[in-house]
Amino acid sequence: AQKVTQAQTEISVVEKEDVTLDCVYETRDTTYYLFWYKQPPSGELVFLIRRNSFDEQNEISGRYSWNFQKSTSSFNFTITASQVVDSAVYFCALSAWYSSASKIIFGSGTRLSIRP
Amino acid sequence: DGGITQSPKYLFRKEGQNVTLSCEQNLNHDAMYWYRQDPGQGLRLIYYSQIVNDFQKGDIAEGYSVSREKKESFPLTVTSAQKNPTAFYLCASSIGHSDTQYFGPGTRLTVL
Repeated sequence: AQKVTQAQTEISVVEKEDVTLDCVYETRDTTYYLFWYKQPPSGELVFLIRRNSFDEQNEISGRYSWNFQKSTSSFNFTITASQVVDSAVYFCALSAWYSSASKIIFGSGTRLSIRP
Repeated sequence: DGGITQSPKYLFRKEGQNVTLSCEQNLNHDAMYWYRQDPGQGLRLIYYSQIVNDFQKGDIAEGYSVSREKKESFPLTVTSAQKNPTAFYLCASSIGHSDTQYFGPGTRLTVL
């Protein structure tokens, strides 16, 4: 079964704190892709990162970093020195094969609130 | 500039009426998708299309219909058969499957 679990429904931290959003996935595919998207209050999903299953190197982009560990089937997302503008719902997603085509399966999302 | 547009932003429908949500992209992407999002929930796939004149049902296709007559356009019709259509609808497109999906701004549908 293909599945993405984001166990943290809501997280609230004070501005400038670091925060990690957890993502655990299940798949039987040997080749797959993992994604993170941000959904601000406006509603549009904003693409953050795509990582293929053969690349386990951690990635850093400004205050954002991602830790991909195949051994634990996790793809966690850390925001360093959080800011109020980081407040949003964050979705982790997994590409999977479905009826001879691939589709993206989304987790249920983590609502992140950054308090000033 | 390139992107995905959805219209209208807000839509109100009376029970028993069909309504069509528009999705247009100028990214030259082959694949397009429709998702439904309910409050506090993730995204559920309604329909997807890999190429023009072809589309497939997703996880929750009942009560919905689509067409893909042009590469740029993938309209979604919410029919009266959809029991609980009030939701936020998101359209997305990608170069191909497994590629990154880019999303439009969404349409919020409310049934009165």
